[in-house]
Amino acid sequence: QSVLTQPPSASGAPGQRVTISCSGSSSNIGSETVNWYQQLPGTAPKLLIYGNNQRPSGVPDRFSGSKFGTSASLAISELQSEDEADYYCATWDDSLHGWVFGGGTKLTVL
Amino acid sequence: EVQLVESGGGLVQPGGSLRLSCAASGFTFSTYWMHWVRQAPGKGLVWVSRINGDGSRINYADSVKGRFTISRDNAKNTLYLQMNSLRAEDTGVYYCARSYFYVSGSFAFDIWGQGTMVSVSS
Repeated sequence: QSVLTQPPSASGAPGQRVTISCSGSSSNIGSETVNWYQQLPGTAPKLLIYGNNQRPSGVPDRFSGSKFGTSASLAISELQSEDEADYYCATWDDSLHGWVFGGGTKLTVL
Repeated sequence: EVQLVESGGGLVQPGGSLRLSCAASGFTFSTYWMHWVRQAPGKGLVWVSRINGDGSRINYADSVKGRFTISRDNAKNTLYLQMNSLRAEDTGVYYCARSYFYVSGSFAFDIWGQGTMVSVSS
């Protein structure tokens, strides 16, 4: 059972917009910034969003992040087939004194 | 090129030990927090441990506390994870990752290695 809760799956057709939620508590998302990672099949994770809503250089602006209270969301617009991957939210937990990840959301592009 | 390369994985019996290494290149290794993150087969990412630049600050996940030891050799630009009393549930791919502090005040794992597989089985 992960400290951060994500839906196990999400899907959308090419060109559509999908959102992935990440729910936490006051000791993690409620007091810290959230990062999002993309893991393509058989590869290492890649940083997608940091600081709730900032994109590292090279990440398309189709990817956006937001946070409100103890929840965060990742939005992907103009879905493309290459977006099919697992997506993870992560943040620091002040009570556990460690980093915590969501269980991951498998995105399928229909 | 900024790069992290893990090694040392393999098959080990329950109760056994293994030491993982992560060789860093392309950046000033001694100035970054470094982490180990693992992923059981078909499962999600789980943070394992972290160590600061000079090795004076260390944290572990409860699941490995007392069994795993993180360390670093800045002269060799290498991060280590000594794993003792291994259990079946420790099986998975182990990634090392660099923690970058962004101007916005956020930390994030910006560079990841390719991972090394650890299998604990009799």
